[in-house]
Amino acid sequence: DGGITQSPKYLFRKEGQNVTLSCEQNLNHDAMYWYRQDPGQGLRLIYYSQIVNDFQKGDIAEGYSVSREKKESFPLTVTSAQKNPTAFYLCASSIFGTAFNEQFFGPGTRLTVL
Amino acid sequence: AQKITQTQPGMFVQEKEAVTLDCTYDTSDQSYGLFWYKQPSSGEMIFLIYQGSYDEQNATEGRYSLNFQKARKSANLVISASQLGDSAMYFCAMREDGDYKLSFGAGTTVTVRA
Repeated sequence: DGGITQSPKYLFRKEGQNVTLSCEQNLNHDAMYWYRQDPGQGLRLIYYSQIVNDFQKGDIAEGYSVSREKKESFPLTVTSAQKNPTAFYLCASSIFGTAFNEQFFGPGTRLTVL
Repeated sequence: AQKITQTQPGMFVQEKEAVTLDCTYDTSDQSYGLFWYKQPSSGEMIFLIYQGSYDEQNATEGRYSLNFQKARKSANLVISASQLGDSAMYFCAMREDGDYKLSFGAGTTVTVRA
């Protein structure tokens, strides 16, 4: 079955630590995205990537980093510079193209800073 | 400026009745897409329905229909014959052509009562 997997489902981080969230897709999609969701709010874009070895900052990129070495994978690192990282993180992918392609989402990773 | 506005934070609906979720959007582009997603308590975002700015007919997908009023810049979601499993948060989103991100509203929580 094609889809997007994210791991881990729950992640706990101590102050000052970097953590990496995994996102893998087997939909053969070119574009991948990372969103952050805070309680009771909509999603905000952190980073996106249209093709391998290229990525762009979204609206709230500060304190985060990404890489796109393979088409299938788009890991997100939450660095110690991110002041308030406790949130729900969603990875998505879509066909590279116009506005007319929906984004497919993974199940999410819930990050808590202890 | 807020691109997507959902003014109803929460709604209650009786099982088997219809419910309308409001969404207004702001764009100066002629080409854009409007999406509705469902987010159950598990957290995963489930794509429900899509409406293109050039589509003359309102989109329908099973029990979901989109009431698209372009001049008023509104894209309301109608869920007919509500079921208990429809209880979730619903997000309206927009993607402008040439832009790769989805802009999300704050969401509406729907609770279906038996």
